[in-house]
Amino acid sequence: TQLLEQSPQFLSIQEGENLTVYCNSSSVFSSLQWYRQEPGEGPVLLVTVVTGGEVKKLKRLTFQFGDARKDSSLHITAAQPGDTGLYLCAGANTGNQFYFGTGTSLTVIP
Amino acid sequence: NAGVTQTPKFQVLKTGQSMTLQCAQDMNHEYMSWYRQDPGMGLRLIHYSVGAGITDQGEVPNGYNVSRSTTEDFPLRLLSAAPSQTSVYFCASSFAANSPLHFGNGTRLTVT
Repeated sequence: TQLLEQSPQFLSIQEGENLTVYCNSSSVFSSLQWYRQEPGEGPVLLVTVVTGGEVKKLKRLTFQFGDARKDSSLHITAAQPGDTGLYLCAGANTGNQFYFGTGTSLTVIP
Repeated sequence: NAGVTQTPKFQVLKTGQSMTLQCAQDMNHEYMSWYRQDPGMGLRLIHYSVGAGITDQGEVPNGYNVSRSTTEDFPLRLLSAAPSQTSVYFCASSFAANSPLHFGNGTRLTVT
């Protein structure tokens, strides 16, 4: 059962462009996290959002948690080659489990 | 700063063989978990543990066993490997359930 769907699955953009990645579910989560994974490594946490409607900014990255806590988005402003990687959202339920999204593979071309 | 250490990094098995994937963390985290990552499917939870002596099944537990005799170690056992278990396996730990996960660098397993 894939509870979290991410879109788009693949994204290739030029350096300096903006982009948004979406993470959608029909389930409500107590919190949602975003991770970035580079080839040959494990995912690394970017941010955790907990409150419905919450917006968090991390330099050029803006994360939003939906009002109903079922969806989230990640917006990158002025993408750089260093942003290249696989972006994963993960929702936490009340049963000690994380459910990961299908992932968005981002390539930023210099 | 070792964090979460997984061994081996690569492994090739023949169908029917068994093996253990090792995972150790040095952060005194109570929560540990195993995921498998397959193309287009993100990470799927295999088993998890909320503390020494306590384990539970995740989304895809069939064909895998775990035990948690110490806080530091959480090995994953493949009882009789099948080609469908070809995947990249990640171990993760966190301070508590639903806290941010710290991942190891994965074990790439191929079953022929």
